[in-house]
Amino acid sequence: KNQVEQSPQSLIILEGKNCTLQCNYTVSPFSNLRWYKQDTGRGPVSLTIMTFSENTKSNGRYTATLDADTKQSSLHITASQLSDSASYICVVSYPSGGSYIPTFGRGTSLIVHP
Amino acid sequence: EAGVTQFPSHSVIEKGQTVTLRCDPISGHDNLYWYRRVMGKEIKFLLHFVKESKQDESGMPNNRFLAERTGGTYSTLKVQPAELEDSGVYFCASSQDWTGYNSPLHFGNGTRLTVT
Repeated sequence: KNQVEQSPQSLIILEGKNCTLQCNYTVSPFSNLRWYKQDTGRGPVSLTIMTFSENTKSNGRYTATLDADTKQSSLHITASQLSDSASYICVVSYPSGGSYIPTFGRGTSLIVHP
Repeated sequence: EAGVTQFPSHSVIEKGQTVTLRCDPISGHDNLYWYRRVMGKEIKFLLHFVKESKQDESGMPNNRFLAERTGGTYSTLKVQPAELEDSGVYFCASSQDWTGYNSPLHFGNGTRLTVT
């Protein structure tokens, strides 16, 4: 069964600190992995994308890593800001029946305190 | 560019009633997707349109759900009759690239459906 597991479920950090979110998946075959940020009441917004051959991708203060052998990914946030408070969702896509099906994790809820 | 818009933002209906959700994708995006998030669970895929054709509807839970995209522009998702377990947030997303690589999914803000 294709699954995406994220940890921790929730995280509270102080402004300016770094944090790392984890994503483990069993999705196969693998097409790509994206990290999305979802603010409360809004739809998810893409942060990074990686394919099988990529192991690091950065987008400003966000750095995603991928180990396709162990099927693990992480999202590292550097020098956190209050606006980073959101849910971070790991999404792994696989090809199926002429389409690409994304499998979503439940997300990690991040709260950044001043 | 205008983003993906969904209407209504909230809907509260009684069990057995009908509700129609609407999604306007980003102009020029042939790919349109519907997703659903039931409380406490992960977002789940419902179906994928390429223009007006259903590319994949394997995620549709049952025949009470009907999605259409006449003319390949906006899409509607009708739930008839609604059941309590249909409550959740329904997201629509669109993209230029159907593989999901060259362009990400652009999500709308969702429609929160509550069935009482």
